[in-house]
Amino acid sequence: ELKVEQNPLFLSMQEGKNYTIYCNYSTTSDRLYWYRQDPGKSLESLFVLLSNGAVKQEGRLMASLDTKARLSTLHITAAVHDLSATYFCAVENPDTGNQFYFGTGTSLTVIP
Amino acid sequence: EPEVTQTPSHQVTQMGQEVILRCVPISNHLYFYWYRQILGQKVEFLVSFYNNEISEKSEIFDDQFSVERPDGSNFTLKIRSTKLEDSAMYFCASSRVRAGELFFGEGSRLTVL
Repeated sequence: ELKVEQNPLFLSMQEGKNYTIYCNYSTTSDRLYWYRQDPGKSLESLFVLLSNGAVKQEGRLMASLDTKARLSTLHITAAVHDLSATYFCAVENPDTGNQFYFGTGTSLTVIP
Repeated sequence: EPEVTQTPSHQVTQMGQEVILRCVPISNHLYFYWYRQILGQKVEFLVSFYNNEISEKSEIFDDQFSVERPDGSNFTLKIRSTKLEDSAMYFCASSRVRAGELFFGEGSRLTVL
């Protein structure tokens, strides 16, 4: 079964600090997605990474994809409280493309 | 901005009862999905639907589950006889193309007592 693992599972960081969330996956998929989920809310699409070496940035978040290492990172720069949420990475089933496998999630708390 | 809408937002039901969760995908999307998330856990795939038929389903999607697109806009998930372990948040999603970015609805929280 395809596995998607994130670490850390829980992250508490102070405002202004930098940190990286890692997403490892076991398939050959070259597409990876990052989502944000606020408590009790839906999943909001953050980044779509479609090829090896893809890098995308939005505000204080930057995501990258290394398909050879089967690794994606979500880097947080100068964290602010509004970034507190759970972040999920997801990969497609490479055989069908119809099924996303989600990571375990990283619960981020930014402390003022 | 177009969005996926789901109803109800929260449903409480007794074990053994039938439940229907409804979704209106984004209008020009062709692929539809149901995912679920048990409280505090990761998001799990249930089923994908394209061209009026199931294209893929997971082990979770057993005979108690069914999906339907009864008209041109709604996409429904039916659970025939709910179990306690069906309690979860159910998310509908849609995409314009296969293997494309998923857009999720706000979710329907199902509580089975």
